[in-house]
Amino acid sequence: DTGVSQNPRHKITKRGQNVTFRCDPISEHNRLYWYRQTLGQGPEFLTYFQNEAQLEKSRLLSDRFSAERPKGSFSTLEIQRTEQGDSAMYLCASGATGGISSYGYTFGSGTRLTVV
Amino acid sequence: AQSVTQLDSHVSVSEGTPVLLRCNYSSSYSPSLFWYVQHPNKGLQLLLKYTSAATLVKGINGFEAEFKKSETSFHLTKPSAHMSDAAEYFCVFRNFGNEKLTFGTGTRLTIIP
Repeated sequence: DTGVSQNPRHKITKRGQNVTFRCDPISEHNRLYWYRQTLGQGPEFLTYFQNEAQLEKSRLLSDRFSAERPKGSFSTLEIQRTEQGDSAMYLCASGATGGISSYGYTFGSGTRLTVV
Repeated sequence: AQSVTQLDSHVSVSEGTPVLLRCNYSSSYSPSLFWYVQHPNKGLQLLLKYTSAATLVKGINGFEAEFKKSETSFHLTKPSAHMSDAAEYFCVFRNFGNEKLTFGTGTRLTIIP
């Protein structure tokens, strides 16, 4: 068990460019979650998957954001036409069936996005 | 709205003295409540969780929290602070049947040597 892995750790991009982040969850976890954390705030929920199915999306996830988990293992989060307001830490977490009431989430260290 | 409120954005205590981080919740139902800790450049780590079992919950590293329905509170305590406790602490709420976690704004704990 190597924990939840997120890549890259840091990403600097120019406004208007597309970026993609990757999350590798703990292998036996079938649930995967994305959160966004801006400076001085707590993380905010974006979306979650059970296996490959995306079961819930926050209204924070605008049309420029898309998340996938094609084989129920790793997940990608893509932001198209980035804006300065997208600058944040993007956190991934995974959990097992039974949900957080049983096991809690395990969070990755995050990808810090800076849009210049 | 159902949520959590962390009453202090910053708490400073001397090493070896007690720690109290305050959290109030707002919910129409019996919620699940958690405390997470975030050290600089590290991921969020679960300290403890309340899921309608025992109201006094013991967590890792000597932390504990008590669920008080009458006060709608879930304060985090530790008898004796250690330098390694310096971090950001988040009180977190989850409504019944919902996978989404709602985080408070965080409390930064500073330990004075």
